[in-house]
Amino acid sequence: TQLLEQSPQFLSIQEGENLTVYCNSSSVFSSLQWYRQEPGEGPVLLVTVVTGGEVKKLKRLTFQFGDARKDSSLHITAAQPGDTGLYLCAGSNTGNQFYFGTGTSLTVIP
Amino acid sequence: NAGVTQTPKFQVLKTGQSMTLQCAQDMNHNSMYWYRQDPGMGLRLIYYSASEGTTDKGEVPNGYNVSRLNKREFSLRLESAAPSQTSVYFCASSVLGTGNNQPQHFGDGTRLSIL
Repeated sequence: TQLLEQSPQFLSIQEGENLTVYCNSSSVFSSLQWYRQEPGEGPVLLVTVVTGGEVKKLKRLTFQFGDARKDSSLHITAAQPGDTGLYLCAGSNTGNQFYFGTGTSLTVIP
Repeated sequence: NAGVTQTPKFQVLKTGQSMTLQCAQDMNHNSMYWYRQDPGMGLRLIYYSASEGTTDKGEVPNGYNVSRLNKREFSLRLESAAPSQTSVYFCASSVLGTGNNQPQHFGDGTRLSIL
């Protein structure tokens, strides 16, 4: 059972463009994390959001947790080639498991 | 500054063979995890160990066994490999369980092919 669906699955854009990646679920999560993964490496944590409606910024990346804590979005402003990678959301409930999303593969063309 | 170390990095097996994937962390973390990553599926949890001495099944445990050897090491065993187990396997660790919103630190993965 895939609890978290991400869209789009693939995204190819030109350098300087803006983009938004979505992470949706019918389940409520106590927290949600976003990771970025580069080829041949493990995922690396970008941010954790824990409060419904919370917005966090990390340089050109803006993360939002939905009011009902069922969804999240990642917005990148003025994308750079260094943003290329696989973006994964992961939701946690009160147990000990993280449920990962299906992933969004982003390519930023110079 | 090793973090999470996985061995081997690559492995090819024949159907029916067995093998153990090794994972060690040097961050004094309590919780450790094994995931598999398949195209279009994200990461799926196989087993986890919330603390030394405990292990629990995740989303896709069938065909696998684990051992939390000590606080540092968490191994994953395939007793009789099947082609459906061809995947990239990631080990991760965190200070405490996921309910505490702690980040997970991942190794670089083991790429396993079953022929």
